Amino acid sequence: DIQMTQSPSSLSASVGDRVTITCRASQGIRNDLGWCQQKPGQAPKRLIYGASILLSGVPSRFSGSGSGAEFTLTISSLEPEDFATYYCLQYNSYPRTFGQGTKLEIK
Amino acid sequence: EVQLVESGGDLVQPGGSLRLSCAASGFTFSSDWMDWVRQAPGKGLEWVANIKGDGSEKYYVESVKGRFTISRDNAKNSLYLQMNSLRAEDSAVYYCSRSLNDWGRGTLVTVSS
Repeated sequence: DIQMTQSPSSLSASVGDRVTITCRASQGIRNDLGWCQQKPGQAPKRLIYGASILLSGVPSRFSGSGSGAEFTLTISSLEPEDFATYYCLQYNSYPRTFGQGTKLEIK
Repeated sequence: EVQLVESGGDLVQPGGSLRLSCAASGFTFSSDWMDWVRQAPGKGLEWVANIKGDGSEKYYVESVKGRFTISRDNAKNSLYLQMNSLRAEDSAVYYCSRSLNDWGRGTLVTVSS
């Protein structure tokens, strides 16, 4: 199985800050990588697929990059609604695997 | 608008069975892969299984192989997860998802005596 490791596991930041979350795969996955956002008590919401392609309706302050085994999710200027847990997800091979999550909290 | 509504979650004893359902609307159901993903209380997301649009391919995470069966009825725009030989570690919110892009609100499965 491909292991996905996110860092950091948690992050405190302020509204307006720029934040970056990293996701590393245990082997190369081309760009078969997505990012999801989950708020407490809610279902996950997919933000990005193909490592860098924003789904329709996702604000442009979100961006993704990377290929192979190292990927990043960047939020250019945090808004109050961005405080949530973020997961990376690989869909290069089975079983699909998620990172352990990064909890983004308000400083 | 894509809508996915799960049902069937319940409290069940270890060793018991449960069938989850997911009613889909707002897209061409038969064209899309469908997934089940679960989340144990306070834990992260775990992919469980998926099935191709025509039902011809199915994949499972190792921990549920031989116990869970994913299926679909394209005439009813419905996805199912038959869960047998349930264990305490299967306790989770189970989400139905369209190709891991759109998600339902989930249904809670609790395995406990």
